[in-house]
Amino acid sequence: EAGVTQFPSHSVIEKGQTVTLRCDPISGHDNLYWYRRVMGKEIKFLLHFVKESKQDESGMPNNRFLAERTGGTYSTLKVQPAELEDSGVYFCASSQDLAGGPVNEQFFGPGTRLTVL
Amino acid sequence: AQTVTQSQPEMSVQEAETVTLSCTYDTSENNYYLFWYKQPPSRQMILVIRQEAYKQQNATENRFSVNFQKAAKSFSLKISDSQLGDTAMYFCALQEYGNKLVFGAGTILRVKS
Repeated sequence: EAGVTQFPSHSVIEKGQTVTLRCDPISGHDNLYWYRRVMGKEIKFLLHFVKESKQDESGMPNNRFLAERTGGTYSTLKVQPAELEDSGVYFCASSQDLAGGPVNEQFFGPGTRLTVL
Repeated sequence: AQTVTQSQPEMSVQEAETVTLSCTYDTSENNYYLFWYKQPPSRQMILVIRQEAYKQQNATENRFSVNFQKAAKSFSLKISDSQLGDTAMYFCALQEYGNKLVFGAGTILRVKS
């Protein structure tokens, strides 16, 4: 079974440009999460999809970030325009429907390292 | 607000020895879950061990075990018989039912031969 995949693995862009990150969750996982780790700091939650709906987007830093999950499959996270402080590693995770059990184990992708110059 | 604190930025241990990584947390919920994740260099983050708050018994997975002290809100990870492959960044995380993970800043563990 394929794990969570993310594309690209690295992205280097200039301030003001646009970048789109993609996450493909494990097949059948309804829950999809985005997290971000800025250099040397904690991994921070960005948002949570249940299928195609945004369940919780309380961690989105500002309106320069737009996440979508059309059809409830893969998800994209677009940053437009990018700023220097957006640099970091963006992780995606997926988990099964909560009805499957009490422990909602999240499986992580390898992350996308974003560098904004 | 939920918080997770890992007070040890880096640790080292000799191969075959035992090491304990510390984690404290804060939550107002009575039901929650605690996790230790491991991220080896240039590799994906994987789950090492998890603990349900309603269970008093400490979780164990082979060489990995936890010391869960609910009243003290402490959740340390003990790695026995350390191996070179245990070298990684270790993250402690808190999850309330069905919701997001709240992570600590991580502890870099280096296992030396």
